[in-house]
Parts: sequence; structure tokens; C-alpha cells
Amino acid sequence: DIQMTQFPSSVSASVGDRVTITCRASEGIGTWLAWYQQKPGKAPDLLIYATSVLQSGVPSRFSGSGSGTDFTLTISSLQPEDFATYYCQQSIDFPLTFGGGTKVHIK
Amino acid sequence: QITLKESGPTLVKPTQTLTLTCTFSGFSLSTSGVGVGWIRQPPGKALEWLAVVFWDDDERLSPSLKNRLTIAKDTSKNQVVISMTNMDPLDTATYYCAHRYRTNWYTYWGQGTLVTVSS
Repeated sequence: DIQMTQFPSSVSASVGDRVTITCRASEGIGTWLAWYQQKPGKAPDLLIYATSVLQSGVPSRFSGSGSGTDFTLTISSLQPEDFATYYCQQSIDFPLTFGGGTKVHIK
Repeated sequence: QITLKESGPTLVKPTQTLTLTCTFSGFSLSTSGVGVGWIRQPPGKALEWLAVVFWDDDERLSPSLKNRLTIAKDTSKNQVVISMTNMDPLDTATYYCAHRYRTNWYTYWGQGTLVTVSS
């Protein structure tokens, strides 16, 4: 199985801050990476796929980059609605695997 | 508009078999490239992928749960059913079904159903 490691596991930030979350794959996955946002009590929402393509309706303050084993999700200017948990997921091979999640909470 | 909804028991006893149904609308599981997967999330923990069934009857199961899982589709009813045998308290989780098309990321998700395993 491809292991996905996310860090940090949590981050405290203020509205307007730039936030970067890292996801590392245990082997190369090209750009077969997605990011999801999950709010408490809700299902995950697909934010970004193919490493850097924003899902329809996702604000441009979200961006993704990387390839191979190292990937980042960046929120350029944190908004109140962005406080949530973020998960990466590799989609190159089965079993599909998710990172452990990064919780973004208010400083 | 694509929607999915999970249904099934909210409480099962240890060693019992869990059967969950995903009822969907807005797409057909006979359309090339379409699949419906299951993902679960223990309380306060990360997401874990379980299984997927594809339009062409192909399926993939999590190797760690393969001996306990079955997945099946009923195209005429717009349903996908997953069964997990020998349930354990560690299987307590919210179970989600989700839609994929051509790629292995999930664009549309059900609301999830919390299943508690307890005697």
C-alpha cells in the first residue's frame, strides 16, 4: 500500500494568514493526488484533484502543487469558512489511501 | 444533480454482519467510467477507503479487509450494497459512499451513516 503522511497534523492560524499543508507519499505517485476539505459532521468535499486542478466552485485562494512524493496545499489568505480538516488522497493505485488529516483551527 | 445516500443499521453487535446500501440518483452505474466507492471514518480519525464497484462489474477491495468485504451493484435500482462480516467495536465509524468518474478521486459523497458496534 502507498502510505500518505500529512504534516502538520494541526495548525493554528488567523484569518488572513497563509497556510501550507504538506503531504508525502511513500512512493512516487506522479500527480495523482487529491485534496479534500471536511467540516465537522459533514462529508469530505473534493477541493483539488490531479495535484493542482481546483474543483469547480473552489476559491482561487486554494492551490496545490508537487509531484512524485511531495505535495502541498496552500491557502493564500485564510477565511473563516476555511477552518476545517484537510486530507490528501493518492489515486494512482489501489488500495486508495488518505493522509492522516490536518486540522486548521483558529489561533 | 448527483446525490448519494447511505442506509442501514446504526447499531450492530460484535461478530454480526453489517450490510449498508447506497442509493444514488443523477447518474447510472452502467455508464462507462462510473464507479461507487465506500469510505469510512472512525470517530475523530482519518478516512479509510474500503471498496469500489465499477460500471463494468469490476471491483476493488481493501486488502486489509478483503476477507470480510463484499460489494455489489444493482443498476436497475441505482444501488450499491456493501457487506462486512465479523464486525468488531473497532469497525465503529461513519460509512460514506461516494461517486467517481474516470478517475479515483471522489467528487460526490453521501452524508454518511454512523455505525456503532457494541454488545
